[in-house]
Amino acid sequence: GAVVSQHPSRVICKSGTSVKIECRSLDFQATTMFWYRQFPKKSLMLMATSNEGSKATYEQGVEKDKFLINHASLTLSTLTVTSAHPEDSSFYICSARTLAGGIYEQYFGPGTRLTVT
Amino acid sequence: KQEVTQIPAALSVPEGENLVLNCSFTDSAIYNLQWFRQDPGKGLTSLLLIQSSQREQTSGRLNASLDKSSGRSTLYIAASQPGDSATYLCAFFGRAGGTSYGKLTFGQGTILTVHP
Repeated sequence: GAVVSQHPSRVICKSGTSVKIECRSLDFQATTMFWYRQFPKKSLMLMATSNEGSKATYEQGVEKDKFLINHASLTLSTLTVTSAHPEDSSFYICSARTLAGGIYEQYFGPGTRLTVT
Repeated sequence: KQEVTQIPAALSVPEGENLVLNCSFTDSAIYNLQWFRQDPGKGLTSLLLIQSSQREQTSGRLNASLDKSSGRSTLYIAASQPGDSATYLCAFFGRAGGTSYGKLTFGQGTILTVHP
């Protein structure tokens, strides 16, 4: 199946700094990528939908100036957490969607554990 | 707004049992439904995907069914093993015209523990 990678897998940063997380589709092109956030023992919460070459669409309650998303190519999307605070500590998961044979399917990255101290 | 509910929230069983995990959804405009597995601290692994035109999909010891009329999907795990221990998530993908078009809506998950 299709593979999605994320980098880094873990990151610890100090409060006030910015952190960039990369999401790559390794063996397919993804016109649409998604960013999710997951709190401990909770399900995935969609943060934003990213279409290649256009601005991301953010879900209600997600600050677009804090969570900057760039989808500059068909295989790469980035999420930058700006001026991070301890409450931004979470597990961030990206996903890339394919359309083949008229069927949409999403593939998920392994996640990035962000800890803000 | 689409709601996806999974029952039970947690399940603990001895090895060898056959299991049933349930997923219900409120939006009838379904495009497909996907079942995922998530191990602690890891990403999601897709298990089965059922298109709206299908009634079930099978992969090894896993079988997923879809009943659009009742808004339900069921994941059957046969002869459970300790390695099946994980969180199982169902996700609804809505078709055009529905409230959930273009994105997955996840249930809260069922935490499965299979004891040796």
